Amino acid sequence: DAGVTQSPTHLIKTRGQHVTLRCSPISGHKSVSWYQQVLGQGPQFIFQYYEKEERGRGNFPDRFSARQFPNYSSELNVNALLLGDSALYLCASSSYRGDQPQHFGDGTRLSIL
Amino acid sequence: AQSVAQPEDQVNVAEGNPLTVKCTYSVSGNPYLFWYVQYPNRGLQFLLKYITGDNLVKGSYGFEAEFNKSQTSFHLKKPSALVSDSALYFCAVRDGGNSGYALNFGKGTSLLVTP
Repeated sequence: DAGVTQSPTHLIKTRGQHVTLRCSPISGHKSVSWYQQVLGQGPQFIFQYYEKEERGRGNFPDRFSARQFPNYSSELNVNALLLGDSALYLCASSSYRGDQPQHFGDGTRLSIL
Repeated sequence: AQSVAQPEDQVNVAEGNPLTVKCTYSVSGNPYLFWYVQYPNRGLQFLLKYITGDNLVKGSYGFEAEFNKSQTSFHLKKPSALVSDSALYFCAVRDGGNSGYALNFGKGTSLLVTP
């Protein structure tokens, strides 16, 4: 079975631009979460979606937004990019049960110049 | 809020020796605890979890973890380390509050296993 897939794998943008990252969950998983991992740190929670509705939001500015589609795939959008947005963006899918683990994709490496 | 702490930035161990990677947690109720491993340029890979029940949890690749409620710890262990175990290890706790089932991660511990 395919795991969580994310695209693109790498992306280079300049300050002020906009970016869209994409994620396809494991088949059968209806929940998708997004995390930001800055170099040398643990992942930080950004959003969680379940059945196309936002179920959780971390401490990130309104420049960050996301959505989930009817096929349970998801997009993360970041506007007005800042140098500090450079990070590995991880998508995780799960069955939206507290006792079940989240399964991660390999991430999108975003570099802001 | 729920959180975990990983007190060691790096753990060095010789191949064949036992390894321990430490994690302590702070929660308001019963914790759901997880260990993940990250290899270079990869995402996080699930190793094991503690939800309830036996304090010793067995996971993938020979790893296990011991839940200790009195010490609020959830240390990751392996009886005999392999060079291929060298990676970044993250402990995480689940937040069941208004952030859905988001995971709160520690800062990570780099494990280096030398031949």
